[in-house]
Amino acid sequence: QMQLQESGPGLVKPSETLSLTCTVSGGSMSGYFWSWIRQPPGKGLEWIGFIHYSGDSNSNPSLRSRVTISIDTSKNQFSLKLNYVTAADTAVYYCARGRVPSDDWGQGTLVTVSS
Amino acid sequence: QSALTQPASVSGSPGQSITIPCTGTSSDVGGHNYVSWYQQHPGKAPKLLINEVSNRPSGVSNRFSGSRSGNTASLTISGLQAEDEAHYYCNSYTSSVTVVFGGGTKLTVL
Repeated sequence: QMQLQESGPGLVKPSETLSLTCTVSGGSMSGYFWSWIRQPPGKGLEWIGFIHYSGDSNSNPSLRSRVTISIDTSKNQFSLKLNYVTAADTAVYYCARGRVPSDDWGQGTLVTVSS
Repeated sequence: QSALTQPASVSGSPGQSITIPCTGTSSDVGGHNYVSWYQQHPGKAPKLLINEVSNRPSGVSNRFSGSRSGNTASLTISGLQAEDEAHYYCNSYTSSVTVVFGGGTKLTVL
């Protein structure tokens, strides 16, 4: 079982860029897919996107124009950037190991979009 | 892509069995074996219960089981216990190389 930890600002202004990093420990990133999932307060889970350790990635069509996911295996990290955020992007953001299934999850980090 | 369809809520008494359906299409639930189920308690991260439609990861109680018929996957919880009260989510890989979640089901143990 690997451990994942999200980090980044908890408050982002509207129209700015949300940036989060997930640090992986307890194992190698090689051979796995790595995912970002979010959960608005009181709502369900929404898949954001995934990246393979090789760098191949894909994202939710509804977010694709605003999402960038990258990986740095030398640092055991992968990252999420979401541009032009609005209040609708306020959510707990989770990083996870795997695509379907996602076996190991971070504890999640709340990102609030507000001026 | 549309979310998979789950009932908003289900309930059952301790010791009973309940089943939560997750309906998709032939492009997701019905077309791949990559269908999973997760349990989420309030304020906690989701926990994987079932992978590849019906496989239980090591450490998950055998009271949890998964199955599929056509485009509908199902999670069955037998011998309901108070600690099973939580939200449950299904998700699936899709033919578009994306992932889709169900809307989630709140299980109440009466």
